[in-house]
Amino acid sequence: DAGVIQSPRHEVTEMGQEVTLRCKPISGHDYLFWYRQTMMRGLELLIYFNNNVPIDDSGMPEDRFSAKMPNASFSTLKIQPSEPRDSAVYFCASSSLRDRFTGELFFGEGSRLTVL
Amino acid sequence: RKEVEQDPGPFNVPEGATVAFNCTYSNSASQSFFWYRQDCRKEPKLLMSVYSSGNEDGRFTAQLNRASQYISLLIRDSKLSDSATYLCAAAANQAGTALIFGKGTTLSVSS
Repeated sequence: DAGVIQSPRHEVTEMGQEVTLRCKPISGHDYLFWYRQTMMRGLELLIYFNNNVPIDDSGMPEDRFSAKMPNASFSTLKIQPSEPRDSAVYFCASSSLRDRFTGELFFGEGSRLTVL
Repeated sequence: RKEVEQDPGPFNVPEGATVAFNCTYSNSASQSFFWYRQDCRKEPKLLMSVYSSGNEDGRFTAQLNRASQYISLLIRDSKLSDSATYLCAAAANQAGTALIFGKGTTLSVSS
């Protein structure tokens, strides 16, 4: 069974460019989460969706960040314009209604973003 | 959003040692707590849930103290393969739909 799939795995871009990160959750999972991880701030929750609807986006750092989930099998996190301080590993995770009681979020391998 | 705070680490221990990690949470509404393990340059994976009564899984024991808002993880008889970063997590709300993570504590087990 395929896990959470993220793309790209690595992205190097220049300041001011638009960055789009993509995520395919595990089939049948109804929750999708976007996290960002840096050495300084650890693993931060940015936004999460339930049944494709954004539930809490209070962790999104600025208006430069936006996330969408047009259907149950796809989500994007977009940064426009990107800045060097956005450099981080961005993780997508998914879970099902049952998993929230066990605490199991299934993470993708992450997208490592470097903004020069 | 409330914070989850962990021992900064790193912990460097020899094989066979017992090591304990601590974590505090500030959101008293949190009902669920977990430990995740993250290997270097990999994604986090669930290690174990933390129950009020405490729970044990082989060499790993997790404890919860709601009065002190404190969670612990004890690893006995450390193995080289236990070297990783251990992340404490608390449910962001009573519904338990999202998790807030601590920054993690790095463990290095040496021979």
